[in-house]
Amino acid sequence: AQSVAQPEDQVNVAEGNPLTVKCTYSVSGNPYLFWYVQYPNRGLQFLLKYITGDNLVKGSYGFEAEFNKSQTSFHLKKPSALVSDSALYFCAVRVPDNTDKLIFGTGTRLQVFP
Amino acid sequence: AAGVIQSPRHLIKEKRETATLKCYPIPRHDTVYWYQQGPGQDPQFLISFYEKMQSDKGSIPDRFSAQQFSDYHSELNMSSLELGDSALYFCASSWSGGHFTDTQYFGPGTRLTVL
Repeated sequence: AQSVAQPEDQVNVAEGNPLTVKCTYSVSGNPYLFWYVQYPNRGLQFLLKYITGDNLVKGSYGFEAEFNKSQTSFHLKKPSALVSDSALYFCAVRVPDNTDKLIFGTGTRLQVFP
Repeated sequence: AAGVIQSPRHLIKEKRETATLKCYPIPRHDTVYWYQQGPGQDPQFLISFYEKMQSDKGSIPDRFSAQQFSDYHSELNMSSLELGDSALYFCASSWSGGHFTDTQYFGPGTRLTVL
């Protein structure tokens, strides 16, 4: 079965420090991987995606993610966290067949402290 | 840039009532998806439409139906509402461009509360 795991329910980091939000996946075939962010009472906002090519993907608001095929991971990173980055982050994978269904992880709440 | 529009943003219904949620995709997007996000849960795929035809179906109850119209907007119809249907319902849209690789852009969601 296709699945996505976000092992941390919450990540706490001080403002200005680097942050990492972890994501691992289990799919058959080559995955299409996505990160979305959700602010309170808001929709899901696209951050970045990996389809093919360079394993390091850069996205919105200074976020980046590295695709690691051997470790089946797609961790989200940012060199210097901002308080405004505090939100719920979802990793998602597209099942690589002829549909577009996204399978989401359970989400990681990022809390950046001043 | 134009985003996905969903209406209404909030909806309160009684048990056994019917609800209709509307979604207006980003202009020129041809694919629409519906997701349900329960409290504290991750979004779960319900159904999708490509060029007005159902393209995939997920964990959508038989009480729910949906369609995509000629102007590409979509409606999710929910009947015999149950307390457990209370959730945030997201619509997303994408442009296929001939490949199933494009990003799904999400609307702000409709928060349905069933009393």
